[in-house]
Amino acid sequence: DTGVSQDPRHKITKRGQNVTFRCDPISEHNRLYWYRQTLGQGPEFLTYFQNEAQLEKSRLLSDRFSAERPKGSFSTLEIQRTEQGDSAMYLCASSLGRESQEEFFGPGTRLTVL
Amino acid sequence: KQEVTQIPAALSVPEGENLVLNCSFTDSAIYNLQWFRQDPGKGLTSLLLIQSSQREQTSGRLNASLDKSSGRSTLYIAASQPGDSATYLCAVDGNNRLAFGKGNQVVVIP
Repeated sequence: DTGVSQDPRHKITKRGQNVTFRCDPISEHNRLYWYRQTLGQGPEFLTYFQNEAQLEKSRLLSDRFSAERPKGSFSTLEIQRTEQGDSAMYLCASSLGRESQEEFFGPGTRLTVL
Repeated sequence: KQEVTQIPAALSVPEGENLVLNCSFTDSAIYNLQWFRQDPGKGLTSLLLIQSSQREQTSGRLNASLDKSSGRSTLYIAASQPGDSATYLCAVDGNNRLAFGKGNQVVVIP
């Protein structure tokens, strides 16, 4: 257990539905990251927050994706109008917030879009 | 754009043999390099973190080296055990995020 938690662990949804995932980072960590991992691939960066500010978004993050980190604590990732191509493991990580700091990952949320 | 390559993609070794996993990256301007372990369907467990100014890190049976100028890192696992069976991922931090390779899938045969 790294101290980073994610909820839910598994989500099955039908195409077109909206889904929301939650990540609770290690409490003193200022930075929070979202990654997506598909089968047989390494995780790919989606976005990251420094406290409550979303500082960067990958081109992978289409307009259907939105992430928030209110008050710089937990974060949510919402996918609207899900597509089958959104099926993946969504991983959250946190770090102390300076360059060269180790990232600690949560257990992930496995999304299946039918 | 940082590209990370891990070779071999998959390998099987008998129990007791030493494991050598290779990682290469294209942009040497990095803050650090991390090695992770991932079990099927699970999240990532950090194994070792090497800062850009360091040459190697050791933790128990694990040793990782870093040659930043040539864009290479190697993870050594001594005296492999069946419990070492997993996918090992190399990731470099160079721009406020990690860039990952596809991983080395390892099976240790009892």
